[in-house]
Amino acid sequence: DVKVTQSSRYLVKRTGEKVFLECVQDMDHENMFWYRQDPGLGLRLIYFSYDVKMKEKGDIPEGYSVSREKKERFSLILESASTNQTSMYLCASSFPPATVGNTIYFGEGSWLTVV
Amino acid sequence: AQTVTQSQPEMSVQEAETVTLSCTYDTSESDYYLFWYKQPPSRQMILVIRQEAYKQQNATENRFSVNFQKAAKSFSLKISDSQLGDAAMYFCAYRDTSGTYKYIFGTGTRLKVLA
Repeated sequence: DVKVTQSSRYLVKRTGEKVFLECVQDMDHENMFWYRQDPGLGLRLIYFSYDVKMKEKGDIPEGYSVSREKKERFSLILESASTNQTSMYLCASSFPPATVGNTIYFGEGSWLTVV
Repeated sequence: AQTVTQSQPEMSVQEAETVTLSCTYDTSESDYYLFWYKQPPSRQMILVIRQEAYKQQNATENRFSVNFQKAAKSFSLKISDSQLGDAAMYFCAYRDTSGTYKYIFGTGTRLKVLA
């Protein structure tokens, strides 16, 4: 089974802190994603990466950055956390789009509260 | 731009009954994939069912089936013989085959199963 592991399930951080959310996948997937999930808004893409050291902005990249130094690991960084970044963050991975019928696999999510 | 709309924020179904969750989407592409994902409370999001747009036959996975109406851009999920374990948030998702990496998600439908 594909495993996408998010190292922190629940975090409470203070405004202005630098926050790291880590994600590791074990299926040798090229693509990795960070989504934000908020009630009534569904999943919104923050950043995605299609290869090591490659990244592209999603729909809501402001206030976030990412790092992908190794294929299996994709980190989301909040440079200076703010209360409006309180949310559930979902990491996901998949094979490239050219793979017929590929599927995106999710981690369990990281609940971040910024106080 | 592609969009996915789930117009039912919440649905309820009696155990053992059948329920249908609605999803509509908008795209100018002719070939794409559609997905239903299930997110149980505090648990990992998992794939329920997948439909390739070029296939006319509706996908089926055990008690889960879809009604795919390509012309109407509709992709509803039918759950038969509902079980307590079906209670979850359900997300409809779209991905085209043009080489983009983005999955477009709807806002979700929370399904309650009543004993």
